[in-house]
Amino acid sequence: NAGVTQTPKFQVLKTGQSMTLQCAQDMNHNSMYWYRQDPGMGLRLIYYSASEGTTDKGEVPNGYNVSRLNKREFSLRLESAAPSQTSVYFCASSEIGLVEPTRQPQHFGDGTRLSIL
Amino acid sequence: GDSVTQMEGPVTLSEEAFLTINCTYTATGYPSLFWYVQYPGEGLQLLLKATKADDKGSNKGFEATYRKETTSFHLEKGSVQVSDSAVYFCALSAYSGAGSYQLTFGKGTKLSVIP
Repeated sequence: NAGVTQTPKFQVLKTGQSMTLQCAQDMNHNSMYWYRQDPGMGLRLIYYSASEGTTDKGEVPNGYNVSRLNKREFSLRLESAAPSQTSVYFCASSEIGLVEPTRQPQHFGDGTRLSIL
Repeated sequence: GDSVTQMEGPVTLSEEAFLTINCTYTATGYPSLFWYVQYPGEGLQLLLKATKADDKGSNKGFEATYRKETTSFHLEKGSVQVSDSAVYFCALSAYSGAGSYQLTFGKGTKLSVIP
């Protein structure tokens, strides 16, 4: 099983350029998430999608947009990249059922390492 | 809001030493608690979890007990190996409204085990 697949794995952009990070999961999960990981900051939630057709802001949404394309795919877009967005980006998914939903762990991709010059 | 505090690293241990990484949390309601591990160049992997008070999660020789009275979930291993070198994240899962559930992470503790 592939689990959660992120593309690309590495990317270098110039300030002001745009790009889309892709994420796909093959576990039939309802919920998907985008995080950024910065040194000494842990993981911070950018956006999430509780179910197909819904998206909501997380802790650090400014400068980003998302699209839940279908149940499998959840993309993150940087419209005008800034050096402060240099980070490692992780996509995750989880199955949130009706019974004891907080018990369900999130499954992570391997990350996209993004540098903005 | 919810928060997780874990001991700052880095932590350097000799092989076969005892490991403790402290984690405390603040949350309303009844969260589930998790430890994730991140090996160099990889994403996070679930290491263990506990979903109610006094539960003990365990995996690969690691253990952590959900202590509601001290709001803690400390990670322990009796004898670490070089292959345990990684960054460890403590996290809690709680309801965040509108049918969604979010993870709140600690900042991570980097463990290096030397032969």
